Amino acid sequence: QQQVKQSPQSLIVQKGGISIINCAYENTAFDYFPWYQQFPGKGPALLIAIRPDVSEKKEGRFTISFNKSAKQFSLHIMDSQPGDSATYFCAATPNSGNTPLVFGKGTRLSVIA
Amino acid sequence: NAGVTQTPKFRILKIGQSMTLQCAQDMNHNYMYWYRQDPGMGLKLIYYSVGAGITDKGEVPNGYNVSRSTTEDFPLRLELAAPSQTSVYFCASSYDSNYEQYFGPGTRLTVT
Repeated sequence: QQQVKQSPQSLIVQKGGISIINCAYENTAFDYFPWYQQFPGKGPALLIAIRPDVSEKKEGRFTISFNKSAKQFSLHIMDSQPGDSATYFCAATPNSGNTPLVFGKGTRLSVIA
Repeated sequence: NAGVTQTPKFRILKIGQSMTLQCAQDMNHNYMYWYRQDPGMGLKLIYYSVGAGITDKGEVPNGYNVSRSTTEDFPLRLELAAPSQTSVYFCASSYDSNYEQYFGPGTRLTVT
């Protein structure tokens, strides 16, 4: 019940296309859902996060869509660029208690020109 | 702010040796974490701490030990290194469990 299932494992998108990465969870106590971006040789860094009081959050070309009833959330990258090529991790944790983030297994995105 | 710093950047250990990976943060964060990331794989939580003097096991704690004597520092000790501990180790910190985690640059460890 503590798992976050992420798909796909890898993704190849043409430059200018839309990249979509999906995550699903079981624990209904989860209510903080961040996405992290990791470039090769670097540590992950927070990209965008959402709390379940909204169904969508947009920051530039990056959008999180959140479906509380389906227990799913997704990352959309609009107008994908070669510089977006990285590994993306979704994560979740409850809003209370000391429970650390539970990370998905990651999606390796390659944006090709 | 330096953020989260880790030393060393690289290390090669022989089987059976021990070492300590250092991690420090200057953001006055209560929470600190140690992860390992095997090549092409995700992040696995080794240990975490919710404040000075308090530590707890994560998903893969065997073969590791931690201590948290100050808010700033969270060293990870490897005893009797094994080839299975070859990995990249990331330290991270956050204000609370549901706030942004800031990651260090990582330590690449090879055990041969």
